[in-house]
Amino acid sequence: ETGVTQSPTHLIKTRGQQVTLRCSSQSGHNTVSWYQQALGQGPQFIFQYYREEENGRGNFPPRFSGLQFPNYSSELNVNALELDDSALYLCASSPPPSGVTYEQYFGPGTRLTVT
Amino acid sequence: AQKVTQAQTEISVVEKEDVTLDCVYETRDTTYYLFWYKQPPSGELVFLIRRNSFDEQNEISGRYSWNFQKSTSSFNFTITASQVVDSAVYFCALSSRGSTLGRLYFGRGTQLTVWP
Repeated sequence: ETGVTQSPTHLIKTRGQQVTLRCSSQSGHNTVSWYQQALGQGPQFIFQYYREEENGRGNFPPRFSGLQFPNYSSELNVNALELDDSALYLCASSPPPSGVTYEQYFGPGTRLTVT
Repeated sequence: AQKVTQAQTEISVVEKEDVTLDCVYETRDTTYYLFWYKQPPSGELVFLIRRNSFDEQNEISGRYSWNFQKSTSSFNFTITASQVVDSAVYFCALSSRGSTLGRLYFGRGTQLTVWP
């Protein structure tokens, strides 16, 4: 186990609703990245938070937003849910940059179903 | 632009057979990292290996081995004497210094099924 936890495990929402997913990073890790994995696809980068600021964003609309807290845990918020938002949402935490590599440790994911 | 291609969508083998999963990558960065992850049905991504672009040595870990060839931009993964527990989706991924800190670009994955 990586020490990265996510909640909830599963979630069912209706189109148009809003959802908040949570991630607790591994101890000592100050960077959190979020990925969306649609069925049958590889994970796609949503955005990353580093020291409570957004540090990069993938090709996702503004209704996907996030937060990082002083304890480095993070939230992913999605507004105006669409059917295509149904996916496994993965959170990954990373230790401070070593200058050599950027390890990412993944949590178990939250499976979101939008009906 | 960074891109990872896993051309094999699904592979089925019988237990004890050897199997190779292919991965081809694209990047303009000279410093980059390649990864393999395993995703069992539970969904969690399990880290298997990381290689950096300056280390082309092949690596063996038990029944797993990896062949990194910069000349062909490939980073293939071989499982020797496959077992039923190896059944999972395997992802190849790329991270480079030119992109967001540690951002991973994943391939679409290869579903490996090992039959008893």
